Amino acid sequence: EAGVAQSPRYKIIEKRQSVAFWCNPISGHATLYWYQQILGQGPKLLIQFQNNGVVDDSQLPKDRFSAERLKGVDSTLKIQPAKLEDSAVYLCASSLFGSGNNEQFFGPGTRLTVL
Amino acid sequence: GDSVTQMEGPVTLSEEACLTINCTYTATGYPSLFWYVQYPGEGLQLLLKATKADDKGSNKGFEATYRKETTSFHLEKGSVQVSDSAVYFCALTRDTGMDSNYQLIWGAGTKLIIKP
Repeated sequence: EAGVAQSPRYKIIEKRQSVAFWCNPISGHATLYWYQQILGQGPKLLIQFQNNGVVDDSQLPKDRFSAERLKGVDSTLKIQPAKLEDSAVYLCASSLFGSGNNEQFFGPGTRLTVL
Repeated sequence: GDSVTQMEGPVTLSEEACLTINCTYTATGYPSLFWYVQYPGEGLQLLLKATKADDKGSNKGFEATYRKETTSFHLEKGSVQVSDSAVYFCALTRDTGMDSNYQLIWGAGTKLIIKP
């Protein structure tokens, strides 16, 4: 079974530029998550999708971050414009359902450096 | 609100030493508890979990017991190997109250270094 795919693996941009990350979840997984992981911290949930609908985006900085999951499969996360504090690893995860006992499967992440 | 506290790292041990990584939590209700591991250059993966009090999760020689009386879920292994070097995250699920949606609340992670 293929795992969660993410691209690119690494990205370096200058502040005020824009960047986009892509995620392909495990086939059949209805729930998709985007996390931000700053060095030395645990992951912070940015947005959660159930199929192609947003379940929770309360911690997404909506003035600069946006995400979509067209057709309930692949998802993209965009930052525009980027700030220095956006430097982090962006993790995508998926699960069968957003339930308490369902395991979340993570992709390898995209390491973003904003200069 | 709900939270998870882990012991700070890095934790450095020699091969075959005993390991304990402390994790305590604050939560309302009855959360499920998890340990995730992140090997160098790889994504997070579930190591073990426990869904109710006194449950013991185990995998790859690691164990953790859900202790409701002490609100703890310490990770233990009797004899560590160099290949266990990784960052370990303790987490709990939180019921958001919205259509039975659950989210993970994470600790900050503990880096484990095993020397040969």
